[in-house]
Amino acid sequence: AQKVTQAQTEISVVEKEDVTLDCVYETRDTTYYLFWYKQPPSGELVFLIRRNSFDEQNEISGRYSWNFQKSTSSFNFTITASQVVDSAVYFCALNPSGSARQLTFGSGTQLTVLP
Amino acid sequence: EAGVAQSPRYKIIEKRQSVAFWCNPISGHATLYWYQQILGQGPKLLIQFQNNGVVDDSQLPKDRFSAERLKGVDSTLKIQPAKLEDSAVYLCASSLVGGGIETQYFGPGTRLLVL
Repeated sequence: AQKVTQAQTEISVVEKEDVTLDCVYETRDTTYYLFWYKQPPSGELVFLIRRNSFDEQNEISGRYSWNFQKSTSSFNFTITASQVVDSAVYFCALNPSGSARQLTFGSGTQLTVLP
Repeated sequence: EAGVAQSPRYKIIEKRQSVAFWCNPISGHATLYWYQQILGQGPKLLIQFQNNGVVDDSQLPKDRFSAERLKGVDSTLKIQPAKLEDSAVYLCASSLVGGGIETQYFGPGTRLLVL
């Protein structure tokens, strides 16, 4: 069975602060994919990144960066110099490449960036 | 490129009534997913279609929920009769092929309130 844990239910920061959202996952599969999605108040889930289990390189995209550590089963997401528009619920998700191909989501982290 | 379209955006019904949601995936996407997202939780997969065939409906409450994708393009999800606990956002997603490695792209969702 797969499980994704986002222990931080809510985080509030002041604009321009850096913030890290934690994600810990469990799976028995050796090959799997990890995702981060953003859900703004409008409700649509916006795809941010996909990472496969064989690629442990960290990735940076503008103000966003991701730290994948297979040894600790974590895939953390950092926003640098946060902005008010970053306020949203962020979901980490796991998709194994085995027979159970469901996308398993964590419970989400509500990020509020205050001006 | 047009995204995943869903309608209606909002629906309020009384318990025991029936309701239907519609989804049109991204053009060319063979795989379509319906998710249920209860407030404060991550989305949970209800059913997955590959073209017009069902790949996974293990978490669909089949006594009251049904879904179809007759021509392998758009899809309808129905609830009959609705219960109070069905109040949630119903998200439709699509991916190019499916199979675990594909990124799923989500629509804006339909917010259902059952009174």
